[in-house]
Amino acid sequence: EPEVTQTPSHQVTQMGQEVILRCVPISNHLYFYWYRQILGQKVEFLVSFYNNEISEKSEIFDDQFSVERPDGSNFTLKIRSTKLEDSAMYFCASRVRRQSNSPLHFGNGTRLTVT
Amino acid sequence: AQSVTQLDSHVSVSEGTPVLLRCNYSSSYSPSLFWYVQHPNKGLQLLLKYTSAATLVKGINGFEAEFKKSETSFHLTKPSAHMSDAAEYFCVVNNDMRFGAGTRLTVKP
Repeated sequence: EPEVTQTPSHQVTQMGQEVILRCVPISNHLYFYWYRQILGQKVEFLVSFYNNEISEKSEIFDDQFSVERPDGSNFTLKIRSTKLEDSAMYFCASRVRRQSNSPLHFGNGTRLTVT
Repeated sequence: AQSVTQLDSHVSVSEGTPVLLRCNYSSSYSPSLFWYVQHPNKGLQLLLKYTSAATLVKGINGFEAEFKKSETSFHLTKPSAHMSDAAEYFCVVNNDMRFGAGTRLTVKP
């Protein structure tokens, strides 16, 4: 069965550094998402992306964050200048279409640790 | 606007006893609802979904959920808990795909 893949599985970075988290969504999916989960807390929506544009973003997704689909397969999340509070699991997800009966398919996540 | 409320942050059951994880939703129109499971240090896996067909939905690993419009609920159940069911469970509503706060299920031997 096709999967969403995320790399790396764990990223350690120093405060103030830029980090790029990478995702390869399922190939026939059209909608892409990033979520964040701080340790022990709920899964928080960050951003959705369709047709090379951000569809929706949450209040968490400020100017420090950006997303890009640089080629036909990758979907990246960039954090420009990391802060300690950015330490979390970051999950990428994709879905075939935006209609409500289309579930999200998740990657296994990237654990970001900011020191 | 849509939202979900997971009524219990933590549920503890003994192995072999029934599981009930509660989810209430609010939606201005007929919603689609999903349950996802997250095992420790793992990603998020779809358990089941309701999309206005049958109100009783069967999912993987013996879980099922019943959509009750009159109660605006979509509770997740399993007749007999297994140790491997210990995980975090999330209820999600509709297109905006916002997650509930999650319910941690503990299964005691």
